[in-house]
Amino acid sequence: KNQVEQSPQSLIILEGKNCTLQCNYTVSPFSNLRWYKQDTGRGPVSLTIMTFSENTKSNGRYTATLDADTKQSSLHITASQLSDSASYICVVVRMDSSYKLIFGSGTRLLVRP
Amino acid sequence: DVKVTQSSRYLVKRTGEKVFLECVQDMDHENMFWYRQDPGLGLRLIYFSYDVKMKEKGDIPEGYSVSREKKERFSLILESASTNQTSMYLCASSLHRGETQYFGPGTRLLVL
Repeated sequence: KNQVEQSPQSLIILEGKNCTLQCNYTVSPFSNLRWYKQDTGRGPVSLTIMTFSENTKSNGRYTATLDADTKQSSLHITASQLSDSASYICVVVRMDSSYKLIFGSGTRLLVRP
Repeated sequence: DVKVTQSSRYLVKRTGEKVFLECVQDMDHENMFWYRQDPGLGLRLIYFSYDVKMKEKGDIPEGYSVSREKKERFSLILESASTNQTSMYLCASSLHRGETQYFGPGTRLLVL
């Protein structure tokens, strides 16, 4: 069954601290993995896209890793800011004619001052 | 920048009403999608369209229909709204299949 599971469901950290969000998937065949950020009351915005051959990709203070063998990905946020408070959604795209997106349920991050 | 707009941010309707949710994208994208998002669940695909006048069912199409008369506009229709259709509805578009989807701000629908 094609699934994407994220952990933790929610996380609270202090401003300036680092954190890591996890994503495990069972989607097959695999095309690529994406991390989206969704601010409260807004639509998701793409942070990174990683293909099978990519291990790490950065976007500013966001660094995503991918281990295609173990089917795991992580999103590391460095020196967190209040504006990082949002839900982070892991999405895996199937390699078929539809390129269907399989969404995780997200991790809700709250950064406190 | 890609811009995807949705006609309403918040909507309150009564059970049995016909509801139209409009989505417009300004980047000449081929593909458009409608999702719903509920607490604790990932986004679920309702319908999608790869071309004008073309539509395909997603994972949860029951109770919904769509219309794509023009390339830039994709409408979601609730023929007879029910309380279990209370949700956040998100529209998205992408240039080609498998490419990054750009999302609108969402419409939060409450059916009483």
